[in-house]
Amino acid sequence: DAKTTQPNSMESNEEEPVHLPCNHSTISGTDYIHWYRQLPSQGPEYVIHGLTSNVNNRMASLAIAEDRKSSTLILHRATLRDAAVYYCILRSGTYKYIFGTGTRLKVLA
Amino acid sequence: DTGVSQNPRHKITKRGQNVTFRCDPISEHNRLYWYRQTLGQGPEFLTYFQNEAQLEKSRLLSDRFSAERPKGSFSTLEIQRTEQGDSAMYLCASSFSQGRVRTDTQYFGPGTRLTVL
Repeated sequence: DAKTTQPNSMESNEEEPVHLPCNHSTISGTDYIHWYRQLPSQGPEYVIHGLTSNVNNRMASLAIAEDRKSSTLILHRATLRDAAVYYCILRSGTYKYIFGTGTRLKVLA
Repeated sequence: DTGVSQNPRHKITKRGQNVTFRCDPISEHNRLYWYRQTLGQGPEFLTYFQNEAQLEKSRLLSDRFSAERPKGSFSTLEIQRTEQGDSAMYLCASSFSQGRVRTDTQYFGPGTRLTVL
């Protein structure tokens, strides 16, 4: 499976937008980009996924670069409850997820 | 609550003892997964089932580990002769797959935290 690279940590102020980047330069044409987040003491939680076009749902937006070698998860208004580790995962032809170490998001009140 | 449930949530055991964890997936989900997570790391895949069939096992799953899903519903993960290195969070996830791997969404349980003394 192709590898993803994310910053170890990021900080944001409450009620401000947050842009979480992910690089995946070895992505193949059929790989989907999935994002999960893990709140403290909980299992990972699905956030969003996409292939080529930008995607929006009630939790977040996913912006995918035209060459698909990078993507950005956008939280439009960060709240304290958004403090979590965010994982960017590429889904290819296998059912298992391959997690990296993710980005730890800290939201400041 | 219709999410994935795991029991127990915490388990403390002495080295050499056997432990068993249970996972109840979301009803009607045909796929079930086990992952292990150590501190500061992302979850690592252990194994997965489609219905009652165990289709893939990670090299992390040594012969001391065994997983079952006897009737295609709940699953158990047993660790025999536990070692201190087995201390971790054990996560279960389930999904309903219609064969489209790349859009398969897994729903995770809260995990079982194992501490081996």
